[in-house]
Amino acid sequence: KAGVTQTPRYLIKTRGQQVTLSCSPISGHRSVSWYQQTPGQGLQFLFEYFSETQRNKGNFPGRFSGRQFSNSRSEMNVSTLELGDSALYLCASSLMTAPNTEAFFGQGTRLTVV
Amino acid sequence: QKEVEQNSGPLSVPEGAIASLNCTYSDRGSQSFFWYRQYSGKSPELIMSIYSNGDKEDGRFAAQLNKASQYVSLLIRDSQPSDSATYLCAVRGYSTLTFGKGTMLLVSP
Repeated sequence: KAGVTQTPRYLIKTRGQQVTLSCSPISGHRSVSWYQQTPGQGLQFLFEYFSETQRNKGNFPGRFSGRQFSNSRSEMNVSTLELGDSALYLCASSLMTAPNTEAFFGQGTRLTVV
Repeated sequence: QKEVEQNSGPLSVPEGAIASLNCTYSDRGSQSFFWYRQYSGKSPELIMSIYSNGDKEDGRFAAQLNKASQYVSLLIRDSQPSDSATYLCAVRGYSTLTFGKGTMLLVSP
């Protein structure tokens, strides 16, 4: 059974550019969550999608957006990149959004903004 | 503000010893609790989930949950150098999964 697939694995972008990251969840999973991980802040929640609907959103500026498609694949977009956006972006796949639901992470996309 | 607190470490133990990792959380409505292991440069890997008060064992790993004290712990028995990693505690209520900042574990041969 395939795991969570994130693409690309690495990205280098210039300040002011925009970037789109992709996440394909485990087959049959309908919930996708995105997290930003930096050494100082740890794992910070960005947003959660279930059945193409955003269910929760973290405390990030509007430059961060996402969406989920009918096949449960999800994308997140960051516009007008800033140096502080350099981080590991992680996608987690869950069967659903209920409390007793395990979440499994993809390999992550490491974004470097220069 | 839902918070999950962990000692950042590093926690150093010799090979073969028991490593004890602790986590406290602020939201009394939390319903499920998870431990993830993250090697340097890699993504978090789920190693244990626990949903009700008490103990749960899985091989060398054992989790304990005390909802009254808002406390969850992870024991690693017979620690191996390959267990050296950062261990993340995560808590979920009816909404999102909230993570602690992790405890770094170092197991020396």
